[in-house]
Amino acid sequence: QKEVEQNSGPLSVPEGAIASLNCTYSDRVSQSFFWYRQYSGKSPELIMSIYSNGDKEDGRFTAQLNKASQYVSLLIRDSQPSDSATYLCAVRGSARQLTFGSGTQLTVLP
Amino acid sequence: DTGVSQDPRHKITKRGQNVTFRCDPISEHNRLYWYRQTLGQGPEFLTYFQNEAQLEKSRLLSDRFSAERPKGSFSTLEIQRTEQGDSAMYLCASSLQAGSSYEQYFGPGTRLTVT
Repeated sequence: QKEVEQNSGPLSVPEGAIASLNCTYSDRVSQSFFWYRQYSGKSPELIMSIYSNGDKEDGRFTAQLNKASQYVSLLIRDSQPSDSATYLCAVRGSARQLTFGSGTQLTVLP
Repeated sequence: DTGVSQDPRHKITKRGQNVTFRCDPISEHNRLYWYRQTLGQGPEFLTYFQNEAQLEKSRLLSDRFSAERPKGSFSTLEIQRTEQGDSAMYLCASSLQAGSSYEQYFGPGTRLTVT
């Protein structure tokens, strides 16, 4: 079992719709959770961090965390074609480094 | 506002050659990380520095790999006797040890191709 699992996709949504990206993790002591966006050929860009159970909103992005279920999600409202990218879920467990999932490829169709 | 920078951005080398990459973190960040990313995968942790001390190394980091961070500023990652399996994007990230924030910011990466 991988430590951080994401659906690889591809996930396609129409422009203006809500995109929902999911991530599960196996290390129960994990405390910090991050979503990165990665455009093709580019490096990961941090878009959200979440540390407590519940929702955290930043503009069109909402991160949701449920530590009991070991589940993190990212919602993108009013999706735009420019949101088309790979979204990486990253978890910081007992060690200081991040463990990443393989990413979900999102395509927003105009 | 200068972010993390890496040099070179691209490197093509022949199998068996040595290569060295450089990373300059965000100026006030005291933590620096190296990751490696191959196509279709998320970044994999290689090693981590706090100031000049190398505190963690992944089992992925064979003895052909060495990293330094003299004076706690920039860092170098050297790969000796490169193999084709070393072809990947090498990413550097930095973070600031402050409260409960553990946000890491990535540089543009160095893409290594071993022929």
